[in-house]
Amino acid sequence: AQSVAQPEDQVNVAEGNPLTVKCTYSVSGNPYLFWYVQYPNRGLQFLLKYITGDNLVKGSYGFEAEFNKSQTSFHLKKPSALVSDSALYFCAVPPKNTGFQKLVFGTGTRLLVSP
Amino acid sequence: DGGITQSPKYLFRKEGQNVTLSCEQNLNHDAMYWYRQDPGQGLRLIYYSQIVNDFQKGDIAEGYSVSREKKESFPLTVTSAQKNPTAFYLCASSIAGRSNYGYTFGSGTRLTVV
Repeated sequence: AQSVAQPEDQVNVAEGNPLTVKCTYSVSGNPYLFWYVQYPNRGLQFLLKYITGDNLVKGSYGFEAEFNKSQTSFHLKKPSALVSDSALYFCAVPPKNTGFQKLVFGTGTRLLVSP
Repeated sequence: DGGITQSPKYLFRKEGQNVTLSCEQNLNHDAMYWYRQDPGQGLRLIYYSQIVNDFQKGDIAEGYSVSREKKESFPLTVTSAQKNPTAFYLCASSIAGRSNYGYTFGSGTRLTVV
């Protein structure tokens, strides 16, 4: 079955430092991969997605993610963290061969950016 | 602007009472979903619907019911059979059959048992 794993429950980083939120996937064939962000008491917002092509995907709010097929990873990155980036981050993958798109979400990683 | 509207934002339920959470979208999406999120937890799928008048159970459907009478609307009823309903409920929609598209989410309803 298709799945994603987020190995860290929480990531702490100081403002201005680079940040990485990790995601690994278990998908047959070529995956589609997504990142979403959730601010407190809000719904999830789309950040970026990998469909095909360039392994470095750029998204909203200065975030980017690198697709690495050999390591089956899709880590979310930002060169310089902001306090306002503090939120819950989810990676997700749609199952293949279902004829229907039903995203499978990771367990989420809480990012805390300190001033 | 197109989007998904969930109402109410906060809802309080008494023991033994059924309550209905509203989800409306004007994105012309075929597929709609309901998720439950507990504190510090990920998302768990309750029900989903690919087309009007059809819906399927997700991973935690017990104690919940849905209807899909219109393309725009996918209300969720939390019944008295759901013993621990306090949670944050999220509705989402997508283009059916387009796995490269992703979801659009509503802003959520926080349900509390009093």
